[in-house]
Amino acid sequence: ETGVTQSPTHLIKTRGQQVTLRCSSQSGHNTVSWYQQALGQGPQFIFQYYREEENGRGNFPPRFSGLQFPNYSSELNVNALELDDSALYLCASSFRGHPYEQYFGPGTRLTVT
Amino acid sequence: AQKITQTQPGMFVQEKEAVTLDCTYDTSDQSYGLFWYKQPSSGEMIFLIYQGSYDEQNATEGRYSLNFQKARKSANLVISASQLGDSAMYFCAMRELGDSGYALNFGKGTSLLVTP
Repeated sequence: ETGVTQSPTHLIKTRGQQVTLRCSSQSGHNTVSWYQQALGQGPQFIFQYYREEENGRGNFPPRFSGLQFPNYSSELNVNALELDDSALYLCASSFRGHPYEQYFGPGTRLTVT
Repeated sequence: AQKITQTQPGMFVQEKEAVTLDCTYDTSDQSYGLFWYKQPSSGEMIFLIYQGSYDEQNATEGRYSLNFQKARKSANLVISASQLGDSAMYFCAMRELGDSGYALNFGKGTSLLVTP
């Protein structure tokens, strides 16, 4: 068991709405990354947080934003939802000194109608 | 440009047989890491094995081994003694320390079906 949890497990939203997804990192991990996985594709990196600051970002527009809290839990916020945002959103936690350890949560499946 | 290429969309293997899942990668970095993950239908990405670019020996974890050929830029996953529970999607990924921190670049995956 990896210890990374995500909520909610499933979510249905309407185009134009805003959504917040949550992730609790594995104990001892100080870095969290978010990935978007469209159906039939591999995960795509959205961004990474370390010590409550964004530490890297993939090719996603600014309407994708995030937060990391002092307890290393994290949120992914998506504004102005589009139909193409429908995907499985995965968070992964790791300890910065050990980048080979990236443990994923079970994901949140977002459907935008 | 695609950094991770998995050329096998789907693979079949009989129970107890070995299977090799292919992965090639593209990087100009000297320091990088290669990962394999298993994703069952539930969606969770399960870490299987890691190979660092400077590791001289192929990584092994139980029934999983990584056939690392640096000059050919390939990192194939070998699963020995396949079990029915091995049926899942398998993703190869690479970590480069670049502008995106420790982001993982994933391939498109290979669907493995283990038959009795």
